[in-house]
Amino acid sequence: AQKITQTQPGMFVQEKEAVTLDCTYDTSDPSYGLFWYKQPSSGEMIFLIYQGSYDQQNATEGRYSLNFQKARKSANLVISASQLGDSAMYFCAMRAVWNNDMRFGAGTRLTVKP
Amino acid sequence: DTAVSQTPKYLVTQMGNDKSIKCEQNLGHDTMYWYKQDSKKFLKIMFSYNNKELIINETVPNRFSPKSPDKAHLNLHINSLELGDSAVYFCASSLPRQGPSGYTFGSGTRLTVV
Repeated sequence: AQKITQTQPGMFVQEKEAVTLDCTYDTSDPSYGLFWYKQPSSGEMIFLIYQGSYDQQNATEGRYSLNFQKARKSANLVISASQLGDSAMYFCAMRAVWNNDMRFGAGTRLTVKP
Repeated sequence: DTAVSQTPKYLVTQMGNDKSIKCEQNLGHDTMYWYKQDSKKFLKIMFSYNNKELIINETVPNRFSPKSPDKAHLNLHINSLELGDSAVYFCASSLPRQGPSGYTFGSGTRLTVV
């Protein structure tokens, strides 16, 4: 069974600073994908970044990067140069290659302070 | 053109009523899902359909019944609504198996049972 753990219910960061949101996972599947989604107060789910379990390099998408440490089973999201618009819930998720089932962590609420 | 559209966006109804939520995707994806997001923001998969065939049916009350008339539509019918059914319901779609794009979510339906 897959399990995703986000241990930070809430995080604060000063505008323009970087912040790391933690995510650990547990799976027995050898091949899987890791995802991060953003959910602003308006409620929609926005896909941010993806990391495949066999990818050699950490994924990056603009200000978002994923610090993937496979041996530690962690997939932390790093947001650089935080903006006020980054204030939202952030969800880590995992999906095994062999099925279509994506499981989510409990989420972290990020607040960016001016 | 909205990729995954859900209707209605808001639904307020009395206990005991029967209601449906509709979902349509124009992405050509083979797989569609229903997720429930509770008041603590936890996202839990309810159902998954691949090409009109049910492939995941998590432990949800049998008052919930998904229906997929074709692979572009996945509706959720709920009988005898209860207070605990109040939540945000998300429809999503994806390509089968692995992919960096993950899931595409609809904007959600906020169901309030009074």
